[in-house]
Amino acid sequence: DAGVTQSPTHLIKTRGQHVTLRCSPISGHKSVSWYQQVLGQGPQFIFQYYEKEERGRGNFPDRFSARQFPNYSSELNVNALLLGDSALYLCASSPGSYNEQFFGPGTRLTVL
Amino acid sequence: DQQVKQNSPSLSVQEGRISILNCDYTNSMFDYFLWYKKYPAEGPTFLISISSIKDKNEDGRFTVFLNKSAKHLSLHIVPSQPGDSAVYFCAATYGSSNTGKLIFGQGTTLQVKP
Repeated sequence: DAGVTQSPTHLIKTRGQHVTLRCSPISGHKSVSWYQQVLGQGPQFIFQYYEKEERGRGNFPDRFSARQFPNYSSELNVNALLLGDSALYLCASSPGSYNEQFFGPGTRLTVL
Repeated sequence: DQQVKQNSPSLSVQEGRISILNCDYTNSMFDYFLWYKKYPAEGPTFLISISSIKDKNEDGRFTVFLNKSAKHLSLHIVPSQPGDSAVYFCAATYGSSNTGKLIFGQGTTLQVKP
């Protein structure tokens, strides 16, 4: 079975630009969560979507938004990029809203 | 406020010996704990979990111990293998919130020497 997939793998943007990251969950999984991981730290929770509804939001500014589509895939959008947004963005899926989460390989975002 | 802490940034162990990775938490509402392993350029891989109603869970070479009174959990790997060399994260969540939010520690880099 295919695992969680994310695109693109790497991305380079400049300050002030907008970025869209994409995630496809494991087949049958209805929950998608997004995390940001900066070097030397553990992943930080950004959002969780379950059955297309936002179930949780971490301590991130309104420049961060997400949505989940009817096929349970998800997009993470970040507006007005800052240098500090440079990080590995991880997507995780799970069968329900409260289960072990399975992570994709991540998208490495570099903001110049 | 770091609710989940892994105070050892790194650990080095000889192949075949036991690896013990530690994790402390501060929030008594946490009721589910997980360990993940991460190789460079890959996402975290789920290893093992434990509910707060248990104090031990085993899966092959991996055992997680939970001491609720001390707000401490540990991951034991026996025997350790060179392929276990990776960054290990502990994570915690509380089911009552139903947000699926995992709170991670900073990670411990394990090196298993042949």
